[in-house]
Amino acid sequence: EPEVTQTPSHQVTQMGQEVILRCVPISNHLYFYWYRQILGQKVEFLVSFYNNEISEKSEIFDDQFSVERPDGSNFTLKIRSTKLEDSAMYFCASSQNSGRNTQYFGPGTRLTVL
Amino acid sequence: AQSVTQLGSHVSVSEGALVLLRCNYSSSVPPYLFWYVQYPNQGLQLLLKYTSAATLVKGINGFEAEFKKSETSFHLTKPSAHMSDAAEYFCAVWEGGDDKIIFGKGTRLHILP
Repeated sequence: EPEVTQTPSHQVTQMGQEVILRCVPISNHLYFYWYRQILGQKVEFLVSFYNNEISEKSEIFDDQFSVERPDGSNFTLKIRSTKLEDSAMYFCASSQNSGRNTQYFGPGTRLTVL
Repeated sequence: AQSVTQLGSHVSVSEGALVLLRCNYSSSVPPYLFWYVQYPNQGLQLLLKYTSAATLVKGINGFEAEFKKSETSFHLTKPSAHMSDAAEYFCAVWEGGDDKIIFGKGTRLHILP
């Protein structure tokens, strides 16, 4: 069964450093998402991406964040200058169509900012 | 605006007992509703979803949920708990008009031997 994959599974970085989190969505899906889950808190929407542009973003998704689909398979989340409060589990998701279709989640990348 | 409330951040049941995890939603239009499960150190796995067809939805691992519009509820049940059901369960809603789904805060299910 097709699945969303994410790399790395764990990332440790120093405050102020740039990180890139990578995702490979399910191949025939058209909509891509990033969510995050700070330890002990609920899963929060960050951004959705369709047709090579951001379709929606939350207030969390400020100028420090960017997303890209550099080729036909990868979908990346970049954090330009990490802060301590960026420490969280980051989930990538994809769906065939917009929100009415099931969003399939990857296993997540645990980001720790020191 | 859509929102989801999960009653009880922790629920403990004995192995073999009924599992009931509560979820209430707020939505201005008929919503799509989801239950996701997160096992320790793993990602989110879809258990089941409601898409305005049958009000009783059956999912994986013996779970089911019933959509009750009058109560704005979508509670998750399983007749007989198994040790492997220990996990965190998230109720989520999609209202339409945008792409994101909104998650509840989650309920951690503990299974007692």
